[in-house]
Amino acid sequence: GENVEQHPSTLSVQEGDSAVIKCTYSDSASNYFPWYKQELGKRPQLIIDIRSNVGEKKDQRIAVTLNKTAKHFSLHITETQPEDSAVYFCAARGDSGAGSYQLTFGKGTKLSVIP
Amino acid sequence: DVKVTQSSRYLVKRTGEKVFLECVQDMDHENMFWYRQDPGLGLRLIYFSYDVKMKEKGDIPEGYSVSREKKERFSLILESASTNQTSMYLCASSSPGAMIYTEAFFGQGTRLTVV
Repeated sequence: GENVEQHPSTLSVQEGDSAVIKCTYSDSASNYFPWYKQELGKRPQLIIDIRSNVGEKKDQRIAVTLNKTAKHFSLHITETQPEDSAVYFCAARGDSGAGSYQLTFGKGTKLSVIP
Repeated sequence: DVKVTQSSRYLVKRTGEKVFLECVQDMDHENMFWYRQDPGLGLRLIYFSYDVKMKEKGDIPEGYSVSREKKERFSLILESASTNQTSMYLCASSSPGAMIYTEAFFGQGTRLTVV
């Protein structure tokens, strides 16, 4: 099955700096890569996603890049703000019969933005 | 507004008890999932279902079973609760696999403590 590795597990940045979280996946058939943000005590929510036929996607201060050859994708947050503090999860979704419905998550990155 | 609702926010059960965790979604989604969230381990898939009465094992199905008798409801069953099943349980739902680039919506989570 799919295996998703996520680094770092914790990340502290000063407010206004950039934050980068990296993930690698094992299944070359995976074709959809969402990122979820989970604030303390709340449910995970989708913040951005990317399909395998796209190399980069941007939405205001957040962007995601995908390198299919190397099987890794990254989340970039610019001009970080205290409200960006949360746990971020990357995920990969395959397309292989019943497996196409399954999202495999990384272990999460706890981002702390220091005012 | 998509709603995925889990029946309990907090639950305390005794070792050996049979435990039912209920999840209901109101978006007519075919796919439903049960994840377990533990610190440092991220979100691990227990079971998922892509149709009524259909179920597939995830990565950690041991000690659990599921039931999907109606499209909107997906139940997680701990046949005989053990202390190592103390965890946060998250239910999620999403649109059919034919539309593979779809967001998974999460419930608010059930914090289960087995004593």
